[in-house]
Amino acid sequence: DAGVIQSPRHEVTEMGQEVTLRCKPISGHNSLFWYRQTMMRGLELLIYFNNNVPIDDSGMPEDRFSAKMPNASFSTLKIQPSEPRDSAVYFCASSFEQGWQYFGPGTRLTVT
Amino acid sequence: GENVEQHPSTLSVQEGDSAVIKCTYSDSASNYFPWYKQELGKRPQLIIDIRSNVGEKKDQRIAVTLNKTAKHFSLHITETQPEDSAVYFCAALGSGAGSYQLTFGKGTKLSVIP
Repeated sequence: DAGVIQSPRHEVTEMGQEVTLRCKPISGHNSLFWYRQTMMRGLELLIYFNNNVPIDDSGMPEDRFSAKMPNASFSTLKIQPSEPRDSAVYFCASSFEQGWQYFGPGTRLTVT
Repeated sequence: GENVEQHPSTLSVQEGDSAVIKCTYSDSASNYFPWYKQELGKRPQLIIDIRSNVGEKKDQRIAVTLNKTAKHFSLHITETQPEDSAVYFCAALGSGAGSYQLTFGKGTKLSVIP
């Protein structure tokens, strides 16, 4: 099993540009989570899906952030337009029901 | 919602000594408590977990204890080694059969001094 796959691993973009982060969960897992990690705020849950349905998006900072899960093997997190304060490491994680959450390698986003 | 407090934020120990990290949670209905280890520049990785129907769980040099009455749980690492140096996060799973959301503590940076 390849584990949770995220792309890109690093992204550098200019303020105002659209950024799309991608995630492939572990096969058979039915829950998917997007987290953001910064030194100041720690590890924050942005949104999570269960069976491809968004369950709780209360952590999404503002309307510039959106997430989709069109099928069980793919999810995207989009930021449009991006701002320097969005710079962080974004992790995707997956689990089966209430089991262990396995994290992907993360995407390090830098917005200049 | 759930609130998880973690202490200390930093911890330095001599190699071979023990390290203890403590967490408290607010939702008495929470029933699952995992611990994650995150090395510099890497992803958080689950190292041990405990469910509310047990009070203690051990895996080699790592153990976790849970006190549901006091709503706190702790990570114990014995015979620490330099490779134990990392940031450790505790977490609690939200209550309810339909909840899958983990609330994380702020993390403890553990440094093991050779």
